[in-house]
Amino acid sequence: EIVLTQSPATLSLSPGERATLSCRASQSVSSYLAWYQQKPGQAPRLLIYDASNRATGIPARFSGSGSGTDFTLTISSLEPEDFVVYYCQQRSSWPWITFGPGTKVDIK
Amino acid sequence: EVQLVESGGGLVQPGGSLRLSCAASGFTVSSNYMSWVRQAPGKGLEWVSVIYSGGTTYYADSVKGRFTISRDNSKNTLYLQMNSLRAEDTSVYYCARAPTERDPYYYMDVWGKGTTVTVSS
Repeated sequence: EIVLTQSPATLSLSPGERATLSCRASQSVSSYLAWYQQKPGQAPRLLIYDASNRATGIPARFSGSGSGTDFTLTISSLEPEDFVVYYCQQRSSWPWITFGPGTKVDIK
Repeated sequence: EVQLVESGGGLVQPGGSLRLSCAASGFTVSSNYMSWVRQAPGKGLEWVSVIYSGGTTYYADSVKGRFTISRDNSKNTLYLQMNSLRAEDTSVYYCARAPTERDPYYYMDVWGKGTTVTVSS
């Protein structure tokens, strides 16, 4: 099983600041990595797929990078609605997809 | 409009059974990978099961032998039959689509709102 580790567990920032979230895989997943955003009481929403492609309707302030085992989600300037939880997910080993434990972005 | 709507959750005693449904609209279930993903209270996301467009099914070790995923193409609906339920199965259960014919290939791009399953005596 490919294990994903996310850091930090919690990121405390202010609106307008830049957020950098990390996801590390226990073995190479090539570029087969996605990022999801989950707001309280809602289903996850796909933000980024194949490490760096924004999903339909996702604002340009969200960007992804990385390959192999190290990946980054960057939010260039935090909006109030961005202070929620983010998960990474690998699809390198379908059907054995796995999610990271999540990073919570909260208001400083 | 592309949409998934889950139903069938509820309170069930340990050892009991429940069948979840996920009705799709705006796309064809049988042309996509369809998964169930669950989230225990206050916890992260856990993949549970998938049915491929060709009909092959897979399960997480935590549910193998107890849960069965299926679909009814005529109703464009996905199901999850859950037997021998345990307290640790308590979660919100989401169904999700992963397209196989276009971007974002094999990523879960459409999710339902979820249905809550509580296993307790």
